[in-house]
Amino acid sequence: GQQLNQSPQSMFIQEGEDVSMNCTSSSIFNTWLWYKQDPGEGPVLLIALYKAGELTSNGRLTAQFGITRKDSFLNISASIPSDVGIYFCAGREMGFRAGNNRKLIWGLGTSLAVNP
Amino acid sequence: DGGITQSPKYLFRKEGQNVTLSCEQNLNHDAMYWYRQDPGQGLRLIYYSQIVNDFQKGDIAEGYSVSREKKESFPLTVTSAQKNPTAFYLCASSTPNEQFFGPGTRLTVL
Repeated sequence: GQQLNQSPQSMFIQEGEDVSMNCTSSSIFNTWLWYKQDPGEGPVLLIALYKAGELTSNGRLTAQFGITRKDSFLNISASIPSDVGIYFCAGREMGFRAGNNRKLIWGLGTSLAVNP
Repeated sequence: DGGITQSPKYLFRKEGQNVTLSCEQNLNHDAMYWYRQDPGQGLRLIYYSQIVNDFQKGDIAEGYSVSREKKESFPLTVTSAQKNPTAFYLCASSTPNEQFFGPGTRLTVL
């Protein structure tokens, strides 16, 4: 199946630094979702985006739905040790109304390590 | 408490045995999903169901089977035909727009 191109694959940063990661697709999307997964646990939804250009925050996290509808970005400001984990992007292609096809396309994740 | 439960957290089976993983949700969601996660490969869709008594194959359905007899439940059977069953299995349910995950079951086949 199709996969999203998520980058970077991994990051190792100092506590207090800001973090940026992104996802790109080859097709147009109408939904972008960002998740965080802790080791041995299920992914937790962080932010959902539904409109091109939309910018949404959740605490220190900010995500944007790209204008082209083919990309999305996640920023974490002032990182702390509990930000450690794997961040996944996921999206739904344009042309699939939510009620008819709820399958998501996933990135391979960005692994974040924070040095205290 | 509303949520998605998966049991057990860890499961061990001998090669050649079928095993069924449980997934229950009390969120009143119509759609449910099963994913497999291997290191470095992200989430791969096994099966999904958009409504009771209906389900569709995902990208890696071979060697797996599911049923959806109740809205709340979507069990996954890993059959002996699955060549490499050791993995972390995640169940999810969704609103029309957002998917939510259970805590996962780690299956190890010896």
